[in-house]
Amino acid sequence: AQTVTQSQPEMSVQEAETVTLSCTYDTSENNYYLFWYKQPPSRQMILVIRQEAYKQQNATENRFSVNFQKAAKSFSLKISDSQLGDTAMYFCASLFAGNNRKLIWGLGTSLAVNP
Amino acid sequence: GAGVSQSPSNKVTEKGKDVELRCDPISGHTALYWYRQSLGQGLEFLIYFQGNSAPDKSGLPSDRFSAERTGGSVSTLTIQRTQQEDSAVYLCASSPTGIPTQYFGPGTRLTVL
Repeated sequence: AQTVTQSQPEMSVQEAETVTLSCTYDTSENNYYLFWYKQPPSRQMILVIRQEAYKQQNATENRFSVNFQKAAKSFSLKISDSQLGDTAMYFCASLFAGNNRKLIWGLGTSLAVNP
Repeated sequence: GAGVSQSPSNKVTEKGKDVELRCDPISGHTALYWYRQSLGQGLEFLIYFQGNSAPDKSGLPSDRFSAERTGGSVSTLTIQRTQQEDSAVYLCASSPTGIPTQYFGPGTRLTVL
């Protein structure tokens, strides 16, 4: 079965510091995509970053970057210079080629950025 | 441009009633998805539409759930004879052809009393 696991239910970080959220997945596929989504209290699911499995280079989007370790099936999200607006639930998700494009989700990590 | 929209934002209903949830995808997006997010659980895939192809209904939890997509655009998710366990946030997403990223609407929070 294809699964996505987030082992940190809750995390906190001080404003302006760096935090890393963990995600691991399990698949026998070779072609897939990995995502981090953010869900603030407004409930809107917002794309943070996307990584294609065939790309060796780690994706970056401004203060957000990933550490993609394909052999270890690990996909962590690093948030640099944390801001109060980063407070949200963060979900790791994957799109496996054999899954007809439906996302497989982790259970999420609740991140609190403290002033 | 306009994002994915969903209505209503919140819906409170009594057990046994039918409800309809609406999703307007981003214009031009050919793929449309419904997910359910229950309290304390992850997101659960419900159904997937791609163009004129037959939908993938493999995630619908029971025959009380159905969905349609008219004219390749707006989609309606219908839950018949609602039960308390149907209480959740229902999220809709869309994506353009050939692009794996799914863009989400704000969701509908359904509460079944």
